[in-house]
Parts: sequence; structure tokens; C-alpha cells
Amino acid sequence: DQQVKQNSPSLSVQEGRISILNCDYTNSMFDYFLWYKKYPAEGPTFLISISSIKDKNEDGRFTVFLNKSAKHLSLHIVPSQPGDSAVYFCAASGNTNAGKSTFGDGTTLTVKP
Amino acid sequence: EADIYQTPRYLVIGTGKKITLECSQTMGHDKMYWYQQDPGMELHLIHYSYGVNSTEKGDLSSESTVSRIRTEHFPLTLESARPSHTSQYLCASSEGVGLLGNEKLFFGSGTQLSVL
Repeated sequence: DQQVKQNSPSLSVQEGRISILNCDYTNSMFDYFLWYKKYPAEGPTFLISISSIKDKNEDGRFTVFLNKSAKHLSLHIVPSQPGDSAVYFCAASGNTNAGKSTFGDGTTLTVKP
Repeated sequence: EADIYQTPRYLVIGTGKKITLECSQTMGHDKMYWYQQDPGMELHLIHYSYGVNSTEKGDLSSESTVSRIRTEHFPLTLESARPSHTSQYLCASSEGVGLLGNEKLFFGSGTQLSVL
């Protein structure tokens, strides 16, 4: 049973607009959440994270929101740029699994010029 | 940023061959991981290590084996490659210590393996 789910396989937005990527999780013991960005034929790179004691974390154009009661987090990219086109993975971890990360399937974001 | 290197980047090999995928990191991280990923799918943890002489199997069953003789080196070996092993293999490390602690992963560029 997949514990981290990204239900939208793909998302297409216009340059300059907001991109919203969503992620749901089922394990209430997860307490740390991360987003990674992956270009084709490369490894993922860390983008932003959030601890369960917070509901929002911001880093430049990237903001992650966490709704613990709904077991839902989202990544907002504003404004979106063509260079943001990539696959975005949501990951979750908790001390109950020794800090190992569980990943979602990824969402392919395409930002059109 | 951590420096973590994987070789080869691409490998095409015949069924039955033995292969070793190399992974090295220069940041002195204790924790290292191997993930397997297919297009449109999540990253599956197949092996991890919390330090020298520590290796554990991950959540996804794998016919591969790993070793951790040196902190910086975490190679993955397939004794007899099969077409079902065709996938992207990603090595990662993190700077956490011990079993606890949540931290970000630093990934290598990956090895795309194709077994014919």
C-alpha cells in the first residue's frame, strides 16, 4: 500500500503563473516532508522541506504548505519559469522508520513560455 | 552541496553478466542509500547503510547486494543480470548520524541500466 501519493502525474502551466503540486500521505507517524526536483537522466535534487511542527515553509519562489489533519501537503511555485519543467517528487520520513524517506510517484511539471 | 558520484551513467549489458554499479561521496556522510526508479514510478529503497560494515535491505526486494568497507564508497552488485533488472539506479547519502533524524538526501546522477 503506497504511503505517499501524488495523484496528478502531470501538470502544465503558463510561464509566470502559479504551479501547485499536491501530495497526500497515509502514515500519521511521518513528521518530515521534502520535495525533490528531477531532470531526465539525472538524480533528484533537494528543493524544500517542512517539519510537522510547521504549516508553511518558504524559500524564494517555492512554498510548501502542510495540512496535518488532512495528511496533505502542496508545493507552490510562483512565478513559474520554463526552467522549472521537471519531475517533482514528494517524500516523507519519520523516526519510526529510522528517518528513511518514502517517495511518491512524481508529478511532471511543464511550464510553457 | 554534497558531491556524490555514480559510474557508469549508462550501461547496456547481456543477460547473465555480473555488474557492479559504483557510488562514491566525498562529504564524509555516514548514511548511504540505493534507490531504484522506473519512469512514472516512485523511488524504491533497495539497500541502505548507516556506516562502515553496516548494510540493510530496503523496502523493495532486490537480487542485488551491497558492501560498505569505506565510508565514501557504497557499490551495488548484480551477480547475474536479467532484463527485469532494467531500471535507473540512484545512489544517495545524507549527513544524519545514527538511526534517528530526518534529513535531506543528496543524490548522484544515477546509472541507467539496460539488460538485453
